[in-house]
Amino acid sequence: DIVMTQTPLSSPVTLGQPASISCRSSQSLVHSDGNTYLSWLQQRPGQPPRLLIYKITNRFSGVPDRFSGSGAGTDFTLKISRVEAEDVGVYYCMQATQFPYTFGQGTKLEIK
Amino acid sequence: QVQLVQSGAEVKKPGASVRVSCKGSAYTFTSYDIHWVRQATGQGLEWMGWMNPYSGNTGFAQKFQGRVTMTRDTSINTAYMELSSLRSEDTAMYYCARAPFPNDYWGQGTLVIVSS
Repeated sequence: DIVMTQTPLSSPVTLGQPASISCRSSQSLVHSDGNTYLSWLQQRPGQPPRLLIYKITNRFSGVPDRFSGSGAGTDFTLKISRVEAEDVGVYYCMQATQFPYTFGQGTKLEIK
Repeated sequence: QVQLVQSGAEVKKPGASVRVSCKGSAYTFTSYDIHWVRQATGQGLEWMGWMNPYSGNTGFAQKFQGRVTMTRDTSINTAYMELSSLRSEDTAMYYCARAPFPNDYWGQGTLVIVSS
């Protein structure tokens, strides 16, 4: 199975400041079709996860442009340009390149 | 709009089985795979497997092989996930989600508690 490792596991951030979460996979996430199926999801307390970013860099419908994704191969990053109060929650990277799909451990974003 | 509505919370004894349902609406049920993900309280997300509602084909994470069954009833646009030989570690919120996975089409979650 592909292991997804996120850092940090907890991220206290000041409102209006940037935040960054890293995700590393144990093997390349490049699929045989040429795509890299790396997504970022946000989960607020008591809710199902919400898709933010798919295929490394693509923002899902309705996701604010302060969220951006980057990376390639085995190293990926989610950035929030200016953290807002509604961004509090747990963020997961997830690979859908190879079965079984696997998630990172989650990064808890909280406001200082 | 697309909706996935799951069955209510369950409390089961160790060794028992549980079946969770997931009813899709506002889309063609047989056109999109259903995935199942679980989350123990305070823990991360764990992908369990998928099912193609048209063919009935399934695929599971090795961890659940032999204990999980995924089925569907296309006449009522409902997918089912059954987990057998329950143990305390299976206490979790169970989510269904529609393909393409991941996206924003998730059920509300079904809490399964395994306790003697």
